[in-house]
Amino acid sequence: ELKVEQNPLFLSMQEGKNYTIYCNYSTTSDRLYWYRQDPGKSLESLFVLLSNGAVKQEGRLMASLDTKARLSTLHITAAVHDLSATYFCAVARRLLGNLIFGKGTKLSVKP
Amino acid sequence: GAVVSQHPSWVICKSGTSVKIECRSLDFQATTMFWYRQFPKQSLMLMATSNEGSKATYEQGVEKDKFLINHASLTLSTLTVTSAHPEDSSFYICSAPPVTDSYEQYFGPGTRLTVT
Repeated sequence: ELKVEQNPLFLSMQEGKNYTIYCNYSTTSDRLYWYRQDPGKSLESLFVLLSNGAVKQEGRLMASLDTKARLSTLHITAAVHDLSATYFCAVARRLLGNLIFGKGTKLSVKP
Repeated sequence: GAVVSQHPSWVICKSGTSVKIECRSLDFQATTMFWYRQFPKQSLMLMATSNEGSKATYEQGVEKDKFLINHASLTLSTLTVTSAHPEDSSFYICSAPPVTDSYEQYFGPGTRLTVT
């Protein structure tokens, strides 16, 4: 059974600081996703990672994937208040295609 | 990017009634759509997989007679919550991978259901 674990679940950061969110998954998958969710809203796609060693960056966020370790990271550089949200990683179930989500990391960036 | 819409965006209904939620892919076709449920401050949990032209596949613990799914066309899937109870109150979100790009997953804006 595919399981996805994220940590930390809560993260309070100061503006300007760097931090990393970790996502571990239990069985092989060919796709890993990162999403952002604001309160009361649906998911906003951030990154899709398809292969070992994949690295993608968008603004202050950078995601990477190590399929051998079954680990993905979401690195936040010089955090700003606008990044406050809940971040989910999700892994695709092979052959079925649906996503199994981690519990989410609630990020709060304080001035 | 591709757009998935849901209707209604929010609904309040009384216990015992049924509610239908629509999920549409607006500018692409999807043979499969996924229905997720999210309780407050929790993650998304897959309820069922909707397959165009065939029966839906339900996850363990999800009552198929209570949550009726119909995938009528390549752009429309519906979820009907029958005999709703207050514990069915939740945020329901659909997603669809396009036929032409199965790696991408586009999520709808969600439907907030409150059962009183």
